[in-house]
Amino acid sequence: EAGVTQFPSHSVIEKGQTVTLRCDPISGHDNLYWYRRVMGKEIKFLLHFVKESKQDESGMPNNRFLAERTGGTYSTLKVQPAELEDSGVYFCASSQDWGRVDTEAFFGQGTRLTVV
Amino acid sequence: SQELEQSPQSLIVQEGKNLTINCTSSKTLYGLYWYKQKYGEGLIFLMMLQKGGEEKSHEKITAKLDEKKQQSSLHITASQPSHAGIYLCGADSSGGSNYKLTFGKGTLLTVNP
Repeated sequence: EAGVTQFPSHSVIEKGQTVTLRCDPISGHDNLYWYRRVMGKEIKFLLHFVKESKQDESGMPNNRFLAERTGGTYSTLKVQPAELEDSGVYFCASSQDWGRVDTEAFFGQGTRLTVV
Repeated sequence: SQELEQSPQSLIVQEGKNLTINCTSSKTLYGLYWYKQKYGEGLIFLMMLQKGGEEKSHEKITAKLDEKKQQSSLHITASQPSHAGIYLCGADSSGGSNYKLTFGKGTLLTVNP
């Protein structure tokens, strides 16, 4: 069974440009999460999708970040325009049923974003 | 908001030695997760603990959650180079209603052969 896959694995862009990160969750997982880790800090929650709906987007830093999940399958996270402080590793995770705290989330390998 | 404090921040051990990593929460834990990350790779789920006093083991790794559900420890017995990586504890910060995790900063483990 394929795990959570993220594209690209690395991205280097200039300040002011736009970048779109993609996450393909495990098939059948309704819950999809985005997290990020900026240098020297802990991994922080960005948002949570249940199917195609945003359940919780309290962790999104500002309106330069836009997350979508078309048809409840893959998700994209767009940063527009990118700023230097957006550099970090963006992780995606998915889990099966919502509200089942006894199920674990499976994480992708992350996308390392560098804004120069 | 819930905060997780991990200690130590980094650890260097000789192969074959035992080690312990601690994770302390500022609030009662509803669910405590341990993950491992190797450089350039995603987080690998190790174990989840929910009940006070719970203990789980997988191969040479044992995780415990104290009775008060505010502290967890991860113990590795007879460490091997393959155990090297960053160990992260994560807590369900939503009271069990969804999967919003708060993470500690991680413990970097180096195992010297």
